Amino acid sequence: EIVLTQSPDTLSLSPGERVILSCRASQSLNSNSLAWYQQRPGQAPRLLIYGASSRVTGIPDRFSGSGSGTDFTLTISRLEPEDFAVYYCQQYGSSRTFTSGTFGGGTKVEIK
Amino acid sequence: QVQLVEYGGGVVQPGTSLRLSCTASGFTFSNFAMYWVRQAPGRGLEWVAIIWYDGSNKYYADSVKGRFTISRDNAKNTVYLQMNSLRAEDTAVYYCARASPSLAAGDWGQGTSVSVSS
Repeated sequence: EIVLTQSPDTLSLSPGERVILSCRASQSLNSNSLAWYQQRPGQAPRLLIYGASSRVTGIPDRFSGSGSGTDFTLTISRLEPEDFAVYYCQQYGSSRTFTSGTFGGGTKVEIK
Repeated sequence: QVQLVEYGGGVVQPGTSLRLSCTASGFTFSNFAMYWVRQAPGRGLEWVAIIWYDGSNKYYADSVKGRFTISRDNAKNTVYLQMNSLRAEDTAVYYCARASPSLAAGDWGQGTSVSVSS
């Protein structure tokens, strides 16, 4: 089963700062099938990015995803107060290659 | 608008069974794969299972394989999670989610809580 490792566990930052979150897969992902989610306290997760770099409609353009193979990043260009949350990556394959939908352990972005 | 409502959670003893349901509205349910994802208290997200739009394929996390069964009734717009031989480590909030065409989990319910305790 593919394992996703997110780093760091926690980031303490101020509003307006740039954030780069890392997600590393234990093996190369087919079709860059990597998603990023945001989860605020007490809420369900929300999909931000799919296919490693495609932003979901309605997600602000300060969120961007990049990477391929085994190394992926989520960048938030300028932190807004509502962006302080936990971020998870997930690998999910395709309809022809799906084997599992594992999540990374998450990175908490907290206010400094 | 897409709406997913989970129910069936509760407090149960180890070794017993529970069936969760998730009823969908606001989209053509039979066109989409569906996920179950769980989150233990204070922990991260854990993928549990996925079922294809027509029920033809089902995949499970190793932690639940052989104990949990995902199914769906497209006539009732409902996906189920039958959980048998429950363990304390199955305690979590269980979310259902609609898979987008890419298979990322695009829309989520608010979750139902399962507590396994003697």
